[in-house]
Amino acid sequence: ETGVTQSPTHLIKTRGQQVTLRCSSQSGHNTVSWYQQALGQGPQFIFQYYREEENGRGNFPPRFSGLQFPNYSSELNVNALELDDSALYLCASSLVRPQSGGELFFGEGSRLTVL
Amino acid sequence: AQSVTQLGSHVSVSEGALVLLRCNYSSSVPPYLFWYVQYPNQGLQLLLKYTSAATLVKGINGFEAEFKKSETSFHLTKPSAHMSDAAEYFCAVTLRGGGATNKLIFGTGTLLAVQP
Repeated sequence: ETGVTQSPTHLIKTRGQQVTLRCSSQSGHNTVSWYQQALGQGPQFIFQYYREEENGRGNFPPRFSGLQFPNYSSELNVNALELDDSALYLCASSLVRPQSGGELFFGEGSRLTVL
Repeated sequence: AQSVTQLGSHVSVSEGALVLLRCNYSSSVPPYLFWYVQYPNQGLQLLLKYTSAATLVKGINGFEAEFKKSETSFHLTKPSAHMSDAAEYFCAVTLRGGGATNKLIFGTGTLLAVQP
């Protein structure tokens, strides 16, 4: 148990729809990151939030957006869904950011299928 | 730019045999390196990390990894495989300090199968 919970665990959407994925970070962690893991691939960094501000972004289009709330929960929003957005979306929280040697604590992910 | 290469997408060993999972990195500055494990339908769990202290790093479940700068490698080993080690293993790299780079870069993973 990492103390990071994600919801929903599975969902199915159709092309063009919008989706919101939610994450509750481990208590006291002020940094949250989101990763996309396509089938058979390693996780790809989407973005990171630190103290409610975006603090780094990977190579994902603007239709991927996020929020971090004062209680350190967060959301990942994806607009105009495409078939290639089908993946496992992982939320990870940390007290110290990876670039300072900190460990990421991952949730079990939300598996999104886009039809 | 940083990158990670994991050699061998699938590795199969017998129970009790040595486990060796290979990871090579590319980084313009000294990196931090991590190994994560992912069991089916679960998130990732940290096995061990290298953050510039000892080059031989011991982790959980009997795993260890050695940072070799000359070979740009960070291979994961375990002397004796157990059935419960069957999972997917990911090597990851990040820059120290970060600045604009606030992310882990993962390899494509190695699926470890353990035969009885």
